Amino acid sequence: AIQLTQSPSSLSASVGDRVTITCRASQGISSGLAWYQQKPGKAPKLLIYDASSLESGVPSRFSGSISGTDFTLTIDSLQPEDFATYYCQQFNSYPPLYTFGQGTKLEIK
Amino acid sequence: QVQLVESGGGVVQPGGSLRLSCAASGFTFSTYGMHWVRQAPGKGLEWVAFIRSDGNYKSYADSVKGRLTVSRDNSKNTLYLQMNSLRAEDTAVYYCAKPHNGGNSHWGQGTLVTVSS
Repeated sequence: AIQLTQSPSSLSASVGDRVTITCRASQGISSGLAWYQQKPGKAPKLLIYDASSLESGVPSRFSGSISGTDFTLTIDSLQPEDFATYYCQQFNSYPPLYTFGQGTKLEIK
Repeated sequence: QVQLVESGGGVVQPGGSLRLSCAASGFTFSTYGMHWVRQAPGKGLEWVAFIRSDGNYKSYADSVKGRLTVSRDNSKNTLYLQMNSLRAEDTAVYYCAKPHNGGNSHWGQGTLVTVSS
C-alpha cells in the first residue's frame, strides 16, 4: 500500500510568515493528492485537490505543488486563523486505499 | 447546500456491534461515491472505507477489513457503516465524507464511537 510521509510533524511560525509542509508518497500517485486543514473539534476542510487546484472559497494564500512524488502545501503570509493541523490524502492508488499523511500541527511562535 | 449528518455512535463493549448512519441532502446522493474516515482521540485522520455510487464496489483499510462493512441505500439518501467485532482501537469520531474532484469536499460533524468495557 502507498504510504504518505508528512514533514514536519509540527511547526512553529509567526503571523505573516510563509510556511511549507511536505507530503512524500512511497510510490507515484500522479497528481492525486489533497490537502486539508483541521481545527480542534471540527471536521477537516478541503484546501487543495489534484495536488495544486484551490478549492472554491479557500484564500489564495494557500497553494499546492508537485515534484515527482513530493507534494508541497505553501501558506503565504500566515493569518491567525491558519494555526491548525494539516493533512494530506492520496486519491490515486490502485486498489483504491485513500490513505492520509500523519498530519502537521502548525502552532503560533 | 450539501449536508451530511452522522448518527448511531455510542458506547459499546469489546466484541460488540454498532451501525452508523450518514443522512445526505443537498446533492444527488446516488451519483457520488462516499467515504468513511475516523479519528481516534488526539490522533490523526484514518481513511476507513469507500463505496461507489451504485454500491457495487467497496474498498477498506486493512485495519478494518472483515469487521466493518460499508453500504448505502440510494432510495433513502443514506450511507451506513456496520461495525462488528469492535476493539478498543476502533474508538474514534467517525465522519462520512463526499468527494468532489480529487478531494473530500464535504464532511459531516462526526459521531463518536467508544469501545470500552
